[in-house]
Amino acid sequence: EAGVTQSPTHLIKTRGQQATLRCSPISGHTSVYWYQQALGLGLQFLLWYDEGEERNRGNFPPRFSGRQFPNYSSELNVNALELEDSALYLCASSLVQGVETQYFGPGTRLLVL
Amino acid sequence: QKEVEQDPGPLSVPEGAIVSLNCTYSNSAFQYFMWYRQYSRKGPELLMYTYSSGNKEDGRFTAQVDKSSKYISLFIRDSQPSDSATYLCAMSARGGANSKLTFGKGITLSVRP
Repeated sequence: EAGVTQSPTHLIKTRGQQATLRCSPISGHTSVYWYQQALGLGLQFLLWYDEGEERNRGNFPPRFSGRQFPNYSSELNVNALELEDSALYLCASSLVQGVETQYFGPGTRLLVL
Repeated sequence: QKEVEQDPGPLSVPEGAIVSLNCTYSNSAFQYFMWYRQYSRKGPELLMYTYSSGNKEDGRFTAQVDKSSKYISLFIRDSQPSDSATYLCAMSARGGANSKLTFGKGITLSVRP
């Protein structure tokens, strides 16, 4: 069974640009979560989508947004990039809404110059 | 006070040692407790998953949860060089908008041959 996949693996942008990151969950999983793993800050919750709806949001500014498509894949958009947005962005999926066993993808490493 | 505190490490042990990793938390609503292992430049991999208090064993790994003390532990017996990775504790309250995982910062373990 294929795991969670993310693309691209690496992304280099400059300040003020927009970044789009993509995630495909494990087949049959309906919930997708996004996390940011910045150096020294640990993993921080960004967004949770289930059945196409945003269910919860972490303490991040509105320039972090996303969506979930009918096939349950998801996209994270980061507008007006800032240097401190440089981090590993991880996507996770779970089988049923509210089930806490989340399985992670390999991440997209975003570098903002 | 952060919701989840984890010993910062790093931790270096000889092969064959018993390793004890610990986290404390402040949110009494947490009911689901997980340990993830993350190799360098990879996404976190779910190791152990425990609901509420008690012990759970899987091969060389044992997870313990003491909700009265708000303290969780992961024990690794007969540690191997392949166990060298960053270990993250994570926890969540039950369901709904509380499905986000709150992580400790992680501890880097090195097992010396």
